[in-house]
Order: sequence, then structure tokens, then C-alpha cells
Amino acid sequence: SYELTQPPSVSVDPGQTARITCSGDALPQKYVYWYQQKSGQAPVLVIYEDTKRPSGIPERFSGSSSGTTATLTLSGAQVEDEGDYYCYSPDSSGNFWVFGGGSKLTVL
Amino acid sequence: EVVVVESGGDSVKSGGSLRLSCVASEIIVADTWMSWVRQAPGKGLEWIGRIQPESDGGATHYGAPVKDRFIISRDDSKNTLYLHMTSLKTEDTGVYYCTVGADKWGQGTQVTVSS
Repeated sequence: SYELTQPPSVSVDPGQTARITCSGDALPQKYVYWYQQKSGQAPVLVIYEDTKRPSGIPERFSGSSSGTTATLTLSGAQVEDEGDYYCYSPDSSGNFWVFGGGSKLTVL
Repeated sequence: EVVVVESGGDSVKSGGSLRLSCVASEIIVADTWMSWVRQAPGKGLEWIGRIQPESDGGATHYGAPVKDRFIISRDDSKNTLYLHMTSLKTEDTGVYYCTVGADKWGQGTQVTVSS
């Protein structure tokens, strides 16, 4: 079955840039979506269709995708950005969707 | 603002069945992609399945762990999405979320399956 691979954890100092990667064989053909989830809360979409930011999401969140790897970038990470981040994308058929295993972001 | 609300979560015995419901304000359920996602305690998000809009044929697709046990359906007269769960296992325990497209999520409903 299709899989998306993320690093389990990412740490960054406040004000620095954090990058979370997501790897999958179908990413050259399929969009990636990124979610932020804080403890006890429902996930929130922070990036859709690889690079687009929903209204209300701070500009420090950005996304990119190249080949089989997509990247979520937080430019100037803040303590409030701590949480779990998940990438989400379908397999090559477009019918079966998967989440990456999640990356825990710590802003020290 | 679209508000998504799930309901129907409960505690059941292994082998039992449960039906979850999802309503979304300002959305015609038949006209949009809708999905179910779950999260086991302390674990990551897991895609359960999704249903196409009627205009795209209304097909459903499921993840391997729930295929042949769970069914997603709609009642257009009630503008409600359902998740019918049968042959429940302890590993089905978790919070179940309904999503509208990719961006609208409910707060989830708790399902607990005990042996």
C-alpha cells in the first residue's frame, strides 16, 4: 500500500526556519496537503495543493514540492507553532489517500 | 462559516456495530467530497475512506484496515453523511473525524471498542 514518509520530529529555535519533509512515490503527480494538530484539537489545514495557504494561516507557513518530496517551511517559527504536522496525499490512482506518520515540531 | 459536526460515538464490545453521523452547515453533502479520518490514542491520523459527489458518480473508496467492514453512505434527504462500522475490533478505538473537502473538519466523536 502507498506510504508517505515524514521525519518523526523536528526541532528549531524561535525565529529560525523549520522544514518538514514528506516523501512519496506519487508526489510528482499528486498534490500534497499539510495539517497542523495541537494537543486535543482537530487538525487544521495550513497548506493545500502543494503551495497554497488558506485564509487565516500566517504567511510564515509555506509549501513546496519537487519530485518525490514535498516540504512544509515555517519561516521564523514561533512557540505557538509547536504541534504535530501531517502531510496528506493520494496514491497514483487518486482514489486512496494516506497521511504521513506525522512530525512533532518543537520550538525550543 | 461551514461547521461540521459528528455524532454517534459510543463504547461497544468487540464484534459489535456502530453508525456515526456527520452534518455540515451550508454544505450540500451530495455535492462535495467527504471523508472519514480517525486517530487512535496517541497515534497519527489515518484515512478511513471517502465518497465522491453524486455528480462524479458517488463512488466510495476505503483504506485497507476497514475495507469490507466499514461503509460510507449519504442520506440526501437529511443532508447527512454516515459511517457504518461492523465487526469492530479493539484497534478501531479512537476519535473519528468527518471532513468536507480537505479543509473543513469536525471536532470528532469518540469510539471505544473493548474486548
